[in-house]
Amino acid sequence: KQEVTQIPAALSVPEGENLVLNCSFTDSAIYNLQWFRQDPGKGLTSLLLIQSSQREQTSGRLNASLDKSSGRSTLYIAASQPGDSATYLCAVKGDQTGANNLFFGTGTRLTVIP
Amino acid sequence: NAGVTQTPKFRILKIGQSMTLQCTQDMNHNYMYWYRQDPGMGLKLIYYSVGAGITDKGEVPNGYNVSRSTTEDFPLRLELAAPSQTSVYFCASSYGDSQETQYFGPGTRLLVL
Repeated sequence: KQEVTQIPAALSVPEGENLVLNCSFTDSAIYNLQWFRQDPGKGLTSLLLIQSSQREQTSGRLNASLDKSSGRSTLYIAASQPGDSATYLCAVKGDQTGANNLFFGTGTRLTVIP
Repeated sequence: NAGVTQTPKFRILKIGQSMTLQCTQDMNHNYMYWYRQDPGMGLKLIYYSVGAGITDKGEVPNGYNVSRSTTEDFPLRLELAAPSQTSVYFCASSYGDSQETQYFGPGTRLLVL
């Protein structure tokens, strides 16, 4: 069974700092990997989706990379802002057919200090 | 579009009571999902549906039931609530299954005492 781990569980950084969030997964047979943002009391918002054939995706100040062979992904946030404070979840989709194969990590809670 | 909506936002149940969590999406998505998120844990799939009239179990289906009579609605039924079902429940939908992202509702926080 796929296991998804996110380290660290929590991170505090001063405003303006660049930071990296890590995600690792045990089974490299994946279809894609997504990074989500979760605000307190809210649902998940998809930030970036990387297909298994891709190495990275970028959206604004966010850049996500994928190294399928080593089972790792990173989310890079440039010039962090207080509005970036949230929990960031990564989710891995297995390459088997069917919908029952999206596995979530436990998340990294990010606090950006003004 | 409202996206994915869930009701209620918060509910307290007594052990043994039953309730239905409502989920509606207005994006004409074929796929719908129910997840639960326990404190400090990742989301786990309870049930999913690939279209009206078709449902299937996820990783943690015990104690729950679902139905999908329309494309828009995917209610989750809790029978005989137990403290172990205290959690935050998220409904999600997607157009397809493969490379499509899932859109999540705001969640229902359930406390079983």
